[in-house]
Amino acid sequence: NAGVTQTPKFQVLKTGQSMTLQCAQDMNHEYMSWYRQDPGMGLRLIHYSVGAGITDQGEVPNGYNVSRSTTEDFPLRLLSAAPSQTSVYFCASIINGLALNTGELFFGEGSRLTVL
Amino acid sequence: QQQVKQSPQSLIVQKGGISIINCAYENTAFDYFPWYQQFPGKGPALLIAIRPDVSEKKEGRFTISFNKSAKQFSLHIMDSQPGDSATYFCAATGSGTYKYIFGTGTRLKVLA
Repeated sequence: NAGVTQTPKFQVLKTGQSMTLQCAQDMNHEYMSWYRQDPGMGLRLIHYSVGAGITDQGEVPNGYNVSRSTTEDFPLRLLSAAPSQTSVYFCASIINGLALNTGELFFGEGSRLTVL
Repeated sequence: QQQVKQSPQSLIVQKGGISIINCAYENTAFDYFPWYQQFPGKGPALLIAIRPDVSEKKEGRFTISFNKSAKQFSLHIMDSQPGDSATYFCAATGSGTYKYIFGTGTRLKVLA
């Protein structure tokens, strides 16, 4: 049981490049989400999904795309990277999205992205 | 914008002392208030959580105090240890939503 696995752990991009941050969980969790962590700003929700085929926007969705084709995977795509997207990205999941308020967010270990 | 305001931004405590971190929220629909602990290079992990039907919850050296009328809650770490040195985030969420709102974090350092 690996929990929430994120790849890559580190990435450097040039402005305008695209890339995908991968997230996989093996706990059969329905709810998955992406957060970004910036100094002094805490954790901000980018996108989330309550199940396969269902996604929605969080607080800071601009510049990011997501899809949820399986329960296990929830990739985050940067379409055209900008320096403002330099951050640490965390994927998190919760069992049983319908009972969210009783659930614990399980976080991955993060992906540190630098955009030059 | 729903917010959770957290203070202080950083905190230095002597070993054996009490660490106190405060959070305030605006949305009265919030009904679940967790605290997360994050060590450098790691993802946040749930430390302790409370619902507004109780005013206090204690787990070992960690206690959450909750004041519903003031819309405030706080984390108390008793007998603080160097191993408690980490960043702490408060958060809030409500029934029927899928969005946790996090505070800005408090970097705690416990001196040996």
